Amino acid sequence: QQPVQSPQAVILREGEDAVINCSSSKALYSVHWYRQKHGEAPVFLMILLKGGEQKGHDKISASFNEKKQQSSLYLTASQLSYSGTYFCGTVNAGGTSYGKLTFGQGTILTVHP
Amino acid sequence: DGGITQSPKYLFRKEGQNVTLSCEQNLNHDAMYWYRQDPGQGLRLIYYSQIVNDFQKGDIAEGYSVSREKKESFPLTVTSAQKNPTAFYLCASSRDSTPGANVLTFGAGSRLTVL
Repeated sequence: QQPVQSPQAVILREGEDAVINCSSSKALYSVHWYRQKHGEAPVFLMILLKGGEQKGHDKISASFNEKKQQSSLYLTASQLSYSGTYFCGTVNAGGTSYGKLTFGQGTILTVHP
Repeated sequence: DGGITQSPKYLFRKEGQNVTLSCEQNLNHDAMYWYRQDPGQGLRLIYYSQIVNDFQKGDIAEGYSVSREKKESFPLTVTSAQKNPTAFYLCASSRDSTPGANVLTFGAGSRLTVL
């Protein structure tokens, strides 16, 4: 079952901030974040493995609330290069889905000058 | 440079024909994956393989088949049983499938159009 991302699309001016959310109906082991620019392959941004973990990558950071089965991606002081589609991917805890990474439907982020 | 090579980049097929998409990696990764991408639906998992000669169905395996005879190769066949095969197909690999180690490296994709 796919995780659900919100919002579906975001439009920003350079320098503005954005938050993209990812939620699952199942207990999670890990959450991954990827970015895909138009016409290109998705590229890995970061992975969160533990409940409550936060990670940062330049001005892009993320949190993972294991209890709520949610993750959020924070983009601060957005740049034109941040434009693209952001996907969260989840690995469920336990069961037979070990190693199976399931992606959300994506959030389209557009940054204007 | 290490990476994943998918071919062909564009493919046109008539209804009723099977077609095979190639995926080769030289990253020495154990695990390989096939995803299908449609507008508004994100990336949906078709099949994945954690080791040579073994593979598992993903969420939308019907109408597709795969093989994993070599570590570096994971071809996907889109059969005539797939009712809506027009899509963008992405192959990926990871060091292994252990949660936390399964960071995916993607190929550039193959766009299949059924005429």
